Amino acid sequence: NAGVTQTPKFQVLKTGQSMTLQCAQDMNHNSMYWYRQDPGMGLRLIYYSASEGTTDKGEVPNGYNVSRLNKREFSLRLESAAPSQTSVYFCASRSGDRVDGYTFGSGTRLTVV
Amino acid sequence: GESVGLHLPTLSVQEGDNSIINCAYSNSASDYFIWYKQESGKGPQFIIDIRSNMDKRQGQRVTVLLNKTVKHLSLQIAATQPGDSAVYFCAETPDNYGQNFVFGPGTRLSVLP
Repeated sequence: NAGVTQTPKFQVLKTGQSMTLQCAQDMNHNSMYWYRQDPGMGLRLIYYSASEGTTDKGEVPNGYNVSRLNKREFSLRLESAAPSQTSVYFCASRSGDRVDGYTFGSGTRLTVV
Repeated sequence: GESVGLHLPTLSVQEGDNSIINCAYSNSASDYFIWYKQESGKGPQFIIDIRSNMDKRQGQRVTVLLNKTVKHLSLQIAATQPGDSAVYFCAETPDNYGQNFVFGPGTRLSVLP
């Protein structure tokens, strides 16, 4: 099925470890996004990529890096994981400039111990 | 600063009744508003959107109302069904390109048999 695919679905890290969350979309969307979702809070934008080759910081970029590998793939990297980064991470993509065009992945649940 | 919040964190309704989920926002410059539905273990799914030049918009069994005077948004679900059980988020953005959405924390809707 067409959509946004995130891997892995679950991950446990020790403090200080690094990892990369993968995201791929097959809808030929230009824009891609990384959000984190914490209990009792709304989704918060970490980074986004308006088009292939560009990335921009969102509301909570500290501790993260991103790579827009190509039009399909947008990865999120934690260089040195901290317990504060325990969260559910969602990748999304969007068609053109329509605000109703967001498609979200099913999320990655990350626990940092 | 911007903020989007929900009046009720949980809502329980009888199957067949109508549901009303509320949302308050503080940015008077907000131009687009979206409601998302998030089922357990899944990413948010777009339900309906509304622009600031409208006060009502209807979809299939859903209606969104916008009251700009009091900065209030609501989602009405008619004849609520068990499949409507989920967390519902409102989100707003002041810009046309949707890069800076602010999401509310969500309301959990439980449909009772």
